[in-house]
Amino acid sequence: AQKVTQAQTEISVVEKEDVTLDCVYETRDTTYYLFWYKQPPSGELVFLIRRNSFDEQNEISGRYSWNFQKSTSSFNFTITASQVVDSAVYFCALQILTGGGNKLTFGTGTQLKVEL
Amino acid sequence: ETGVTQSPTHLIKTRGQQVTLRCSSQSGHNTVSWYQQALGQGPQFIFQYYREEENGRGNFPPRFSGLQFPNYSSELNVNALELDDSALYLCASSLGTDRQETQYFGPGTRLLVL
Repeated sequence: AQKVTQAQTEISVVEKEDVTLDCVYETRDTTYYLFWYKQPPSGELVFLIRRNSFDEQNEISGRYSWNFQKSTSSFNFTITASQVVDSAVYFCALQILTGGGNKLTFGTGTQLKVEL
Repeated sequence: ETGVTQSPTHLIKTRGQQVTLRCSSQSGHNTVSWYQQALGQGPQFIFQYYREEENGRGNFPPRFSGLQFPNYSSELNVNALELDDSALYLCASSLGTDRQETQYFGPGTRLLVL
């Protein structure tokens, strides 16, 4: 069975602070994909990044960076110099093939609050 | 904007009623997946449709059913509504069913069952 754990339920930071959101996953599949999505109060899940299980290179996109470590089954997300607009719930998700299709298994999310 | 649309945005029903939620996929996407997100939880996979056929189902009872049309839009039907069905229902579309395909989500339908 697949599982994604986001142990941080809520994080509060002051604007311009750096913040890291943790994600730990479990799967027996050797080929899988990991995702991060952002969910603002409006409810729509916004895709941020996709990584495959064979690519452990860290990735940076502007103020966002991701650290994938297969040895610890972790895929952590760091926001540098956080801004109020970063306030949202962030979900880590695992995608494998199952029963003929693909499906996302999500963590419970981390609520990030960035205050002035 | 992902190009995935859902209707209605909000819905209030009473226990025992039936509801139909609709989703239009992003242009060129032939796969639609539905997720249920209870308050404070992550989305849970309900089922997936690929080329008008059900292509995978999560741990949801048969009163949750769906359809996909030739234009790849989709419906989610829930019969005999229960209070616990109150949730945000999210639809996602993708280019296919391979594990590398990114799923793009719509804005969701908020269902309240009284």
